[in-house]
Formats: sequence, C-alpha cells, structure tokens
Amino acid sequence: GENVEQHPSTLSVQEGDSAVIKCTYSDSASNYFPWYKQELGKRPQLIIDIRSNVGEKKDQRIAVTLNKTAKHFSLHITETQPEDSAVYFCAARAGISSGSARQLTFGSGTQLTVLP
Amino acid sequence: DGGITQSPKYLFRKEGQNVTLSCEQNLNHDAMYWYRQDPGQGLRLIYYSQIVNDFQKGDIAEGYSVSREKKESFPLTVTSAQKNPTAFYLCASGRTGELFFGEGSRLTVL
Repeated sequence: GENVEQHPSTLSVQEGDSAVIKCTYSDSASNYFPWYKQELGKRPQLIIDIRSNVGEKKDQRIAVTLNKTAKHFSLHITETQPEDSAVYFCAARAGISSGSARQLTFGSGTQLTVLP
Repeated sequence: DGGITQSPKYLFRKEGQNVTLSCEQNLNHDAMYWYRQDPGQGLRLIYYSQIVNDFQKGDIAEGYSVSREKKESFPLTVTSAQKNPTAFYLCASGRTGELFFGEGSRLTVL
C-alpha cells in the first residue's frame, strides 16, 4: 500500500518568513495530493490540493509543488502570519486504475509555529 | 447548516467496556470514513464505507467495528479487543476529492 513520509515534524519560523513542508510517497499510481490544516482543538480542513497532471498550484500565500519522477510534493507558505500556526498534514491517493482501495494515506503531520 | 457531526466530544470509559462513537452527515456524501489520530502519527484509517450497507477495513481495523445502515450515519464501536483505545477519533465524509471532517471525539480509557 501507499506510504507517505512528512518532514519536518516541527517547524518554527518568524512572522513574515516562508515555511516549507515536504512529503514523499511510495505508490507511483497516486495522482491526488491534498494538504490539510488542523488548528488547535479544531477539525482538519483542506487548504490546497494538486493532481498529478499539474506541477504547481498557487492560492494566495500558499502553493504546492509536485515532482512525480521523484515522488515528492511540498507545501510552501509565504509571508507567514501567526494564524498560520497549526498542524499541517499531507496526503496521497492512488488513481482509479490502482488495485488499492484508493483511500487517502496521510503523512504524520508538521506542527508549524509562527513566532511574532 | 450542512456538515458532519460527531458525538460525544469527550468520552471516558473503563477498560473492557465497548464504546460507540456517533457520526452523522447531511452533506449527501456516499463515502464516510473513520480515522484515529495519535500524536506524531498523523491520521490512520480505521474503516470506510463507500455506500450504504457496505464497508471495508482500513489500516488499523482490529478491535473496531462499524455499521452503515443509513447514508447519513456511520457509527464506530471501539471494542474491548482494541489494545490501546485512548485516542482522538475523527469521522469524515466525501465524494471524489475533499474530505470533510467532524470535530472529533476524544476517548479516554481509564
């Protein structure tokens, strides 16, 4: 089955700096890669996703890049703000042609702290 | 107000007792999921259901059971066979992309 590794597990940045979180996946059939943000005591919420036919996607201060050859994808947050402090999870899901169950496999999470 | 509702939010139980966590959604999603969240381990899939009256085991199904008698409801039972049941449990629903999560249920076994 799919295995997703996420690094780093904790990340502290100064307000205004950029933050980068990286994930690798093992199943070459995976074609959907979402990122979820979980604020303290709240539910995870989708912040951005990318499909395997695209190399990069941006939404205001956040962007995701995908390298299918190397099987890794990254989340980039620019001009970080204190409200960006949260746990971020990456995930991967195999395509419909895969023999697997096509369920999301999550990384272990990154605790991002933005220092004022 | 559409969404996914879990109850109870906090639950304490004695060792050896079965516990059932409720999950209800009014988003008209076919698929529903149960995840377990432990510190440093991300979200691990317990069970999922893609249609009423059908469900499959996820990666860590041992010691858990589910039912899917209605599209809106996907309750999870944590049985006495689960060796380490203390955890935060998240229910989710979705279609072909985004998952929508409930607010979670924190189970503590004393």
